[in-house]
Amino acid sequence: EAGVVQSPRYKIIEKKQPVAFWCNPISGHNTLYWYLQNLGQGPELLIRYENEEAVDDSQLPKDRFSAERLKGVDSTLKIQPAELGDSAVYLCASSLDIRLNTGELFFGEGSRLTVL
Amino acid sequence: ILNVEQSPQSLHVQEGDSTNFTCSFPSSNFYALHWYRWETAKSPEALFVMTLNGDEKKKGRISATLNTKEGYSYLYIKGSQPEDSATYLCAPKGFNKFYFGSGTKLNVKP
Repeated sequence: EAGVVQSPRYKIIEKKQPVAFWCNPISGHNTLYWYLQNLGQGPELLIRYENEEAVDDSQLPKDRFSAERLKGVDSTLKIQPAELGDSAVYLCASSLDIRLNTGELFFGEGSRLTVL
Repeated sequence: ILNVEQSPQSLHVQEGDSTNFTCSFPSSNFYALHWYRWETAKSPEALFVMTLNGDEKKKGRISATLNTKEGYSYLYIKGSQPEDSATYLCAPKGFNKFYFGSGTKLNVKP
């Protein structure tokens, strides 16, 4: 079974440029997460989708970040314009259903963003 | 927001040493405790999922315990091997949300 696929793995851009990350979750997983991981810190939730609905986006900086999950399958996270402080790893994860306490998260390999 | 603390932040051990890490979290609003292993250049992978007070899980040389009343979990590695080198993340689960600690970075020297 294919795991969570993310692209690109690495991206280097200049500040004020736009950037987009793509995630394809495991087939059949209803819940999709985008996490931000800064160096030396744990992953922090940016947004969680239940199917195509964004049910928790309280930590998403909506002035520059946007996300979508059309058709409840793959998802795109966009930053426009990027700032120096956005340099981080952006992790996508999926799970069968967040309501299952024993349901583990399946992560992609992450997209490492460097903003110059 | 759950305040999750992991200690130590980093650990350097020799091959064959046994080691353990701690994850502390508020005991209220607790639903489950997940442990993930994150190797460099790979994706984080689930090690254990525990829900009940007193739970003990084991996978090979790695085991974990859970105390929900006092709000902590221990992860043990017996006879560390270089392939155990990774960052170990704990993630208590509240209502529909995971709260990750900053992880313990383990380096096992051959």
